[in-house]
Amino acid sequence: AQSVSQHNHHVILSEAASLELGCNYSYGGTVNLFWYVQYPGQHLQLLLKYFSGDPLVKGIKGFEAEFIKSKFSFNLRKPSVQWSDTAEYFCAVNAHNNDMRFGAGTRLTVKP
Amino acid sequence: DAGITQSPRYKITETGRQVTLMCHQTWSHSYMFWYRQDLGHGLRLIYYSAAADITDKGEVPDGYVVSRSKTENFPLTLESATRSQTSVYFCASIGTSGRREQFFGPGTRLTVL
Repeated sequence: AQSVSQHNHHVILSEAASLELGCNYSYGGTVNLFWYVQYPGQHLQLLLKYFSGDPLVKGIKGFEAEFIKSKFSFNLRKPSVQWSDTAEYFCAVNAHNNDMRFGAGTRLTVKP
Repeated sequence: DAGITQSPRYKITETGRQVTLMCHQTWSHSYMFWYRQDLGHGLRLIYYSAAADITDKGEVPDGYVVSRSKTENFPLTLESATRSQTSVYFCASIGTSGRREQFFGPGTRLTVL
């Protein structure tokens, strides 16, 4: 089965700083890739997703992610974070069998 | 209202007791999932179901039982709760058409004393 690694457990940034959260997966076949966000006390919400086509995917709230097949990576980026981006971020991989696997999550704290 | 609902939202029980967490979705999605969320582990898949009467184990199925007699319901049962099952449990679903984005319920916080 596929697995997902998120390298950063906790990231602390100041407002307006740029963000990049790493995500690598292990699976040899075709995958669908997702980033979810979980604000404090809430359930997971989809930020963006990649299925095929342009490997640079734009999501909500100014987030984007780039799928690099050769590196098995799907890193999340945002040019300028806001305090309201404070949340936990999860990368997920679905290998077409609907067995969705999540990374351990990265907690982002943005200081005002 | 359409969507996924979970009940109860909070539950405290004792070791050895049987507990059932309910999940109901109104979209008629074929696939449904149960995850547990623990610090340092993210979300781990417990069980999933492709359709009524079809279920499969995920990463951490031990100690849990599921059933899917109706498409819209996917209850998760802890037959004999243990302290290690203290967690937040999320139910999710995916439709068979369109993109395979998971929609999540609000979660159930379970504490086993």
